[in-house]
Amino acid sequence: ELVLTQSPATLSLSPGERATLSCRASQKISSYLAWYQQKPGQAPRLLIYDSSKRATGIPARFSGSGSGTDFTLTISSLEPEDFAVYYCHQRSNWVFTFGPGTKVDFK
Amino acid sequence: EVQLVESGGGLVQPGGSLRLSCAASGFIVSGRYMNWVRQAPGKGLEWVSVIYSGGSTYYVDSVTGRFTISRDNSKNTLFLQMNNLRPEDTAVYYCAAPKTGDAFDYWGQGTLVTVSS
Repeated sequence: ELVLTQSPATLSLSPGERATLSCRASQKISSYLAWYQQKPGQAPRLLIYDSSKRATGIPARFSGSGSGTDFTLTISSLEPEDFAVYYCHQRSNWVFTFGPGTKVDFK
Repeated sequence: EVQLVESGGGLVQPGGSLRLSCAASGFIVSGRYMNWVRQAPGKGLEWVSVIYSGGSTYYVDSVTGRFTISRDNSKNTLFLQMNNLRPEDTAVYYCAAPKTGDAFDYWGQGTLVTVSS
């Protein structure tokens, strides 16, 4: 069973700072890793798919990288609207898994 | 424009049943895989079930044998039949679908299921 681990659990930063979020898989996986942003009371929004491709309408300050077991979501310069929870997500065989999430909050 | 609209949530007693619906517009439900994802209050996202275009279905272990995913092609609608509900099934349930590939581009607004006596 594939397990996704995200770190840190909480990231306290200020607007304008760089955010680096990690997602680690319990076994080597393909590059088909996705990242989502979720704000309170809203459905998740797809940010990154296939590890590094931005979804439609996602600003260039969001970037993804990684392969194998280690993946990273980087927000180059935090905007006020970026403070939210971020989840990684992957398909293994025929089923899907989400990571536990990283909350990016105001320092 | 793609839209997913869930319905059918509500308050149910432990051991009870509920059927969720997800009406899709802007794409054909049978042409891609469709998913249910849930989120317990204050918790993270949990993938629940998928139905592939060929009809194969899969579930997270905690709901296997109790939940059934299906679709009605004529109504372009996805369903989740939930039986023998437990308090730990309390969550907002989202339907979600890909544009292409292994990511969920499209999400509904969610429907709340509360299992409590």
